[in-house]
Parts: sequence; C-alpha cells; structure tokens
Amino acid sequence: DIVMTQSPLSLPVTPGEPASISCRSGQSLLNSNGYTHLGWYLQKPGQSPQLLIYLVSNRASGVPDRFSGSGSGTDFTLKISRVEAEDVGVYYCMQSQQSITFGQGTRLEIK
Amino acid sequence: QVQLVQSGTEVKKPGASVKVSCTASGYTFTSHVVHWVRQAPGQRLEWMGWVDAGNGNTQSSQNFQGRVTITTDTSASTAYMELSSLRFEDTAIYYCARDSNMAGLDIWGQGTMVTVSS
Repeated sequence: DIVMTQSPLSLPVTPGEPASISCRSGQSLLNSNGYTHLGWYLQKPGQSPQLLIYLVSNRASGVPDRFSGSGSGTDFTLKISRVEAEDVGVYYCMQSQQSITFGQGTRLEIK
Repeated sequence: QVQLVQSGTEVKKPGASVKVSCTASGYTFTSHVVHWVRQAPGQRLEWMGWVDAGNGNTQSSQNFQGRVTITTDTSASTAYMELSSLRFEDTAIYYCARDSNMAGLDIWGQGTMVTVSS
C-alpha cells in the first residue's frame, strides 16, 4: 500500500487567517495517463467526508475558491486562504494511484 | 438530487457476517464505480474495495483477507458490502461513495454504524 503522511495533525487557526496542510506519499502518484491521483476531503463533525479537491488542484463543485491544492510527485499541499468557522473538521488526503489509501487526517480547529 | 442512502445501524456478534446496502438515486447507477470505506473509532479512513456497477467487476483490499464481498443489484440501483467473520475491531462506520470517474469520490452515503459485541 502507498503510505500517506499528513502534517500537522492538529491545526488551530484564527478566523480570517490562512492555513496550510501538507501530505506526502510513499511513492509518486503520477500515473502513466499523465494525471496525478491525489485528492483532499473534509469530514465535518458528525458528517460523512466530502470532496474538496481532485487531481491535485481541481476544486469540486460548490467548493469555495479560498481552498486550493498544489503539488506534484510525492509532495502536496492544501491551502485555505482565509479560514472560516465552517471549515472546522478533519482534512484527509487520499491517493488513488494504486488502490486507495488515506492520510491520517489533520484536525482544523478555530482558536 | 444525486444521493446514496445506506441501510441502518447493525449490531453483530463476533464470527457473524453483516451486509450493508447503498441505494443510489439521481444518476445512472451503472455509469459509476462505487467504493466502500470504513472508519473505526479514532482511526483514519480505510478503503475496503470497489464495484463497477456497469459490469459487476470488483476489487477488494487485501487487508481484509478475503472477508469482503461487494455486489450490486442494478435493478434496484443498490450496491452491497458484506463483511464476514466479524471481529471486535471491525466496529466502525461504513461508508459507500461514488467514484466520479477521475474526479474523486464525489458523493458519499450517510454512513452505517456496525458494532461487533458479544
């Protein structure tokens, strides 16, 4: 299995301030089709996970533009330009290059 | 609207089996793969397997040592995940999720709590 490692595991943020989460994979997620199979998901308290970003940097439908994804190969980043109270929850990166594995999650809380 | 609705809470004894359903609506069921993912208390999300609803092909994680069976009933737009030889550590919330075909797991079910208890 491809191991996914996130940091930090806990992220206290003041509303209106930016936030950044890192995700590293144990091997390259670049597929022979030219796509890099890395996505980001948010699990709000008591809810199912929801898709934020797919293929590294593409926002899913309805996702605010304060969320952005970047990276390549084995190193990826999710950025929130200005954190809002509704962004609280656990953020997971997920690779689908070789079956599917998730990072351990980053818990974002409001200071 | 596009949604996946899962069956309700289950309580099972060790060694038993559980079968969770996931019924799709609002889209063409056979045009997508459906994945199963679980989340044990305090743990990360764990992928279990997928089924191609169009042709019935499946793949399961080797981490479950052949205990997972994923099937579909296309006439009912429903996918099923059966987990056998249940252990205490199988206590978790089980989710189904639609694969949007290269654009991530875009629709998730509400989750089904499975508790394994003697």
